[in-house]
Amino acid sequence: DAKTTQPPSMDCAEGRAANLPCNHSTISGNEYVYWYRQIHSQGPQYIIHGLKNNETNEMASLIITEDRKSSTLILPHATLRDTAVYYCIVLVAVGGNRKFTFGMGTQVRVKL
Amino acid sequence: DAMVIQNPRYQVTQFGKPVTLSCSQTLNHNVMYWYQQKSSQAPKLLFHYYDKDFNNEADTPDNFQSRRPNTSFCFLDIRSPGLGDAAMYLCATSRVDRANTEAFFGQGTRLTVV
Repeated sequence: DAKTTQPPSMDCAEGRAANLPCNHSTISGNEYVYWYRQIHSQGPQYIIHGLKNNETNEMASLIITEDRKSSTLILPHATLRDTAVYYCIVLVAVGGNRKFTFGMGTQVRVKL
Repeated sequence: DAMVIQNPRYQVTQFGKPVTLSCSQTLNHNVMYWYQQKSSQAPKLLFHYYDKDFNNEADTPDNFQSRRPNTSFCFLDIRSPGLGDAAMYLCATSRVDRANTEAFFGQGTRLTVV
């Protein structure tokens, strides 16, 4: 599975959009980009995933560059409850050896 | 409704005394994972089961074992816990027979070794 690189931390203002970058320059054609977040002392929570098209759900939007070497998770209107560590994970779609491997993630702090 | 359930949420064990953490799922997923997460670190995969096939990570200590008696349950056994094994232990499930499905995580068991 491809490695990912994320900034260690970022702050954003409540009510503003939060844009979280992730680099995955070695991604293969059959690998998906997944985003999870982990609020302190809780299990990781799935946010969104995609292959090459932009995706949107009730939580966030995922923008994947055309060459698929990087992506951005967008939280459209950040709230204090969005304060968490956000993880970008790249892995293949199917297979018994499919593993969700976490990098260091980005600590996002939403402030008033 | 909780889909991946870990019990207990908090576990205190004595140094060297075997301890078992449990995980159950209502999703009928064929893969179950165990992660260790130490303070201020990312979750680290220990091993996973694909159906009954056990897959150990290369750097997982022998002190950690796992059992999966059926699809719904999976156990993490720590044979002789040391102080360095104090951590949050996370269980997760996934399907791999269907493309691009996500993993579902439990709320974790926080293990304290005294």
